[in-house]
This record gives sequence, C-alpha cells and structure tokens, in this order.
Amino acid sequence: AQSVTQLDSQVPVFEEAPVELRCNYSSSVSVYLFWYVQYPNQGLQLLLKYLSGSTLVESINGFEAEFNKSQTSFHLRKPSVHISDTAEYFCAVSVLQGAQKLVFGQGTRLTINP
Amino acid sequence: DVKVTQSSRYLVKRTGEKVFLECVQDMDHENMFWYRQDPGLGLRLIYFSYDVKMKEKGDIPEGYSVSREKKERFSLILESASTNQTSMYLCASSMHNVQFFGPGTRLTVL
Repeated sequence: AQSVTQLDSQVPVFEEAPVELRCNYSSSVSVYLFWYVQYPNQGLQLLLKYLSGSTLVESINGFEAEFNKSQTSFHLRKPSVHISDTAEYFCAVSVLQGAQKLVFGQGTRLTINP
Repeated sequence: DVKVTQSSRYLVKRTGEKVFLECVQDMDHENMFWYRQDPGLGLRLIYFSYDVKMKEKGDIPEGYSVSREKKERFSLILESASTNQTSMYLCASSMHNVQFFGPGTRLTVL
C-alpha cells in the first residue's frame, strides 16, 4: 500500500518570499507523483505531475517539484510567491498499473501575507 | 476543455434520509472516483469505477454505495445519512493517470 505525508499542515510566508511545501511518500512499487491545488471554495486542480523522464517538473505559474527516489520525496517549491498563491496544496501518488487510484496527503495550507 | 460537474454545490439533509450525489464528465473517461474531504485528513477514496456497471470499494466505503449506468455519470448514494457523513464530496474522472476534479458538494447532515 502507498502512503503520503505532508510534513506541514500550514505554511505562512510573506509575499515575494520563497516557499517549499514538503511531501514524502512510501511505496513498495514505482509510483506517479502529483501536486494538486485547491483555491477557496473550488475543486482540485492539477498543478504538476511526475510520470517519467526528468525528475524536475514545472508548472505554468512558477512552481516546480523534484522527484527524489532515494529520499522518497516530491517537494514543491516556488522562488517568489504572490497573494494569489494562497490555497491548499495536496501531494498525491498512484501506482503505475491498475485503476489509477490516487492516495493523498493531508494537505498544506499556504497563506501569503502582504 | 475538461469538464466534471456535480449536481449541487451545497446540500442539507436530515439524519436517515437517502441522499444522491451526481457527477457527470464529458471527456469519455473510463475511470471515475468519489472522495470525501475532511480537514486534516486530506481526500479519502470512497468508491471508484473503471467501466460502466463496474465498481470497486475504496478506503472508506461503509455507509455508501455507487451506481454507474452510463459512462459519463457516476452517482454516490448515502442509503441512510448520518451526521458523521457531513463533509465535502469530490468527484473525479481520469485518463492517462491524471485525475480531473469537479467543484465539490458540501453536504451537511442535521
């Protein structure tokens, strides 16, 4: 079975500061990795994904995440955050075969202060 | 554009009522999922379906059932709603290992 741990339930940062949201996973088989974002009163949107290839993946709005197999981590980073990045962020994994079920972490609430 | 819709954004029901939550996707996806989202617990999988009339239990199926009569529609049923089923319910469909989510239904059971 797979499990995902997001190490911080809340992360407050100032606008234009860098941020890192941490995600560790556990699995006995190879996995796909995802970050989803949930803005207030909305559903989840895919932010970025790692399926194969380069271990560094980027989103269109400046976030990036690096797959580290030896440390079983997939931390999310942004060098300079904006007020509009205020949201809850979920890390998730799925196995390569089967029905593409996702296992989610508990979520990290990112709050940007002016 | 990818579209997953859920029948209600907010719903208030009484204990013991039978509740239907509907989800429709227009992307011809084979896989569909129902999750509930609770603070501090993230999303937990209730049921999923990988084809019409096919379903499998997720991690927390107790108190729920599902129906998938057509490929585009996946319904979640609470046979007898209880207060501990007050939650946000999210539907998703997937293709090529990426899940697309609906806006969610916030259900309150009184």
